[in-house]
Amino acid sequence: DGGITQSPKYLFRKEGQNVTLSCEQNLNHDAMYWYRQDPGQGLRLIYYSQIVNDFQKGDIAEGYSVSREKKESFPLTVTSAQKNPTAFYLCASSNRRTSGSYEQYFGPGTRLTVT
Amino acid sequence: AQSVSQHNHHVILSEAASLELGCNYSYGGTVNLFWYVQYPGQHLQLLLKYFSGDPLVKGIKGFEAEFIKSKFSFNLRKPSVQWSDTAEYFCAVNEELAGKSTFGDGTTLTVKP
Repeated sequence: DGGITQSPKYLFRKEGQNVTLSCEQNLNHDAMYWYRQDPGQGLRLIYYSQIVNDFQKGDIAEGYSVSREKKESFPLTVTSAQKNPTAFYLCASSNRRTSGSYEQYFGPGTRLTVT
Repeated sequence: AQSVSQHNHHVILSEAASLELGCNYSYGGTVNLFWYVQYPGQHLQLLLKYFSGDPLVKGIKGFEAEFIKSKFSFNLRKPSVQWSDTAEYFCAVNEELAGKSTFGDGTTLTVKP
């Protein structure tokens, strides 16, 4: 059945290492998003992509990178330059309706812990 | 830049009490509005949405929200909450055709049985 998968559910890394979080969708959605969720701070947009081979920075892109080589995949790399990488990361996708709305569908998230 | 304010960070209610969660946004143009809910251990999911037309929209599980353009508000309501409504609720706003949403900080609702 259709949906968004994120793997792994929990990820542990040592400080100074880059780490890549996976996000795959089979909803045939054009747009994909990465958010970071911290307690009391809601969802903050890291990067988003409205079409294959194109993406834009969100509000907190520093220390992160993405690629969008395939419609169904939007991996996020947390680099060693990200000062506070421990967080819960959510991937989402949406399809643009004729009304222009962007109702989003979310994955289960990856909890990254960097020590 | 667009901003979204959710006034209540944590709300505690008893079952059968009425609920209203506030949401205000800053953008003055055409917007699409959403409420999302995250039940414990589950994915974030859409509760209801507003694109145009009737400003009173109904969502799943008896929730509704009213868009008041003059107040830049989209408050979520439910006449009688249940223990199963315990969750975190997020308001989100799209500037029309912007391609991305801005989320509020979320409101944690705890319903006591």
